Amino acid sequence: DSGVTQTPKHLITATGQRVTLRCSPRSGDLSVYWYQQSLDQGLQFLIHYYNGEERAKGNILERFSAQQFPDLHSELNLSSLELGDSALYFCASSVVGTPPGDEQFFGPGTRLTVL
Amino acid sequence: DQQVKQNSPSLSVQEGRISILNCDYTNSMFDYFLWYKKYPAEGPTFLISISSIKDKNEDGRFTVFLNKSAKHLSLHIVPSQPGDSAVYFCAAKDRYGGGADGLTFGKGTHLIIQP
Repeated sequence: DSGVTQTPKHLITATGQRVTLRCSPRSGDLSVYWYQQSLDQGLQFLIHYYNGEERAKGNILERFSAQQFPDLHSELNLSSLELGDSALYFCASSVVGTPPGDEQFFGPGTRLTVL
Repeated sequence: DQQVKQNSPSLSVQEGRISILNCDYTNSMFDYFLWYKKYPAEGPTFLISISSIKDKNEDGRFTVFLNKSAKHLSLHIVPSQPGDSAVYFCAAKDRYGGGADGLTFGKGTHLIIQP
């Protein structure tokens, strides 16, 4: 158990809909990262929040957004969903998000299926 | 453009023998490398990391070797145990130039330990 929690575990929805994925980082970790794992692309970095502020963006679509709240939990919002958005979504947390010692600890993931 | 490559999708090793998993990278700015292990239906679990100032890091049965000139790293598991059967991901980061960015992952190698 990494100490990172994600809800829900599974989500099935239809094209065009909007969903929210939730992540609670390990106690004391200020950084939250979101990743998408699809069959053909592997694990792709989406976005990084540190102590409530956006720090870096990766391959995140404009239809996706995220935020980190004062209690440090984070939400990833996916809108206008397409079939290709079906994937596993992981969040990871780390202590500081910058050197040194920024190993990231991953949650169990949310499996999103878009029908 | 895949910056971290794991060219072997799968590897089968006999229990008790050495498992060697390989990873190549193309981005010369990467200076921090990590290995993660993933079981089905779970998030990736951090195993071991190495900074570019070192060429070897050891933790119990796991050793990571880094060859900067060849842009190659490898993970050695000795001796291999049945519980080591999992997908192993190599990941990399540019800690100073892109410190806030997430990790760049390879597509993984499925290690199967045979009794």
